[in-house]
Amino acid sequence: GAVVSQHPSRVICKSGTSVKIECRSLDFQATTMFWYRQFPKQSLMLMATSNEGSKATYEQGVEKDKFLINHASLTLSTLTVTSAHPEDSSFYICSASGTSGSGETQYFGPGTRLLVL
Amino acid sequence: ELKVEQNPLFLSMQEGKNYTIYCNYSTTSDRLYWYRQDPGKSLESLFVLLSNGAVKQEGRLMASLDTKARLSTLHITAAVHDLSATYFCAVTTSGTYKYIFGTGTRLKVLA
Repeated sequence: GAVVSQHPSRVICKSGTSVKIECRSLDFQATTMFWYRQFPKQSLMLMATSNEGSKATYEQGVEKDKFLINHASLTLSTLTVTSAHPEDSSFYICSASGTSGSGETQYFGPGTRLLVL
Repeated sequence: ELKVEQNPLFLSMQEGKNYTIYCNYSTTSDRLYWYRQDPGKSLESLFVLLSNGAVKQEGRLMASLDTKARLSTLHITAAVHDLSATYFCAVTTSGTYKYIFGTGTRLKVLA
């Protein structure tokens, strides 16, 4: 149980285009989803927290107009990187917490590697 | 602001040796997690520690938590090459579900 998927696993795009990444909880209802970014050989940095049906809460320094987060249902959250630039290239990992386990435990997706040319 | 630090950042060790990775955090926390990450992969959950004095073991890895010292340790016993990975601790902030990750420890076990 407690499986989280992400799609796509890898994406390459041109500078200036937008990219959407999906995060799904497959076997539980995710009341809260989290988006992290990880640069090579660095730790995970929390970008934002989203609750189903409400606006995401962004961490300090994360541009909410650039990283659009939608948590439209209890099993799906999306992260859209708008007008992507090479510096946005990174490994994006989502996690979900909710009705599975203790409710506080986060279950991590497999990650999406974004390369912006 | 909750800060989480790990040491060492890099660890190269011989197979069969023992070693400990340390995770220090700066303020009161509800729970502490340990994860493993292989290159190019996401996180694999290892342990969750919920209370002071908690100790958990799985194979060659053992984790402990001292909430008074704000310290967790991940002890590796008789290391094998397959344990080579990056290990992260993560701490939840009191009253929220947010995880704050440590800096990570890159472990390389030499055959």
